[in-house]
Amino acid sequence: EAGVTQFPSHSVIEKGQTVTLRCDPISGHDNLYWYRRVMGKEIKFLLHFVKESKQDESGMPNNRFLAERTGGTYSTLKVQPAELEDSGVYFCASSQARNRIYFGPGTRLTVT
Amino acid sequence: ILNVEQSPQSLHVQEGDSTNFTCSFPSSNFYALHWYRWETAKSPEALFVMTLNGDEKKKGRISATLNTKEGYSYLYIKGSQPEDSATYLCAFNYGGATNKLIFGTGTLLAVQP
Repeated sequence: EAGVTQFPSHSVIEKGQTVTLRCDPISGHDNLYWYRRVMGKEIKFLLHFVKESKQDESGMPNNRFLAERTGGTYSTLKVQPAELEDSGVYFCASSQARNRIYFGPGTRLTVT
Repeated sequence: ILNVEQSPQSLHVQEGDSTNFTCSFPSSNFYALHWYRWETAKSPEALFVMTLNGDEKKKGRISATLNTKEGYSYLYIKGSQPEDSATYLCAFNYGGATNKLIFGTGTLLAVQP
């Protein structure tokens, strides 16, 4: 069974540009989560989808971040326009059961 | 504010040493405590999910205990090997509709051959 996959693995963009991160959850998982780890800090929750609906987006930092999950399969997280403080590792995770949460390898975003 | 603390921040040990780390979390509204092992550029790997006070779980040389009344969990590694080098993350889940995890900053373990 394939795990959670994320694309790209690494992205370097300039301040003001747009970046779109993609996450493919484990097949059949209704729950999809986005998390972010900023350098030296803890991994923080961004939002949670159940199928295509946003269950909780309380962790989204501001309106420069837009997450979508059309059709309830893969998800995208767009940052527009990117700022320096957006640099970090963006993790996607998926689950079917509450206590089995599987993480992807992350996308390392560097904003210069 | 829900806070999860891990200590130490980093640890350097020799191959063969046994070691342990601590995770402190809120003692109210407990639902589950997760331990993950993370190597940079790889997916955090789930080690344990602990739900009951007094739980003890074991996977090979790694084991964990849970005390929900006082809000702490210990992770033990017996006879550390270089391949154990990684960041060990704990994450608290207080339940609720969102099922979100609140992570500590992790303990970075380096095992010298």
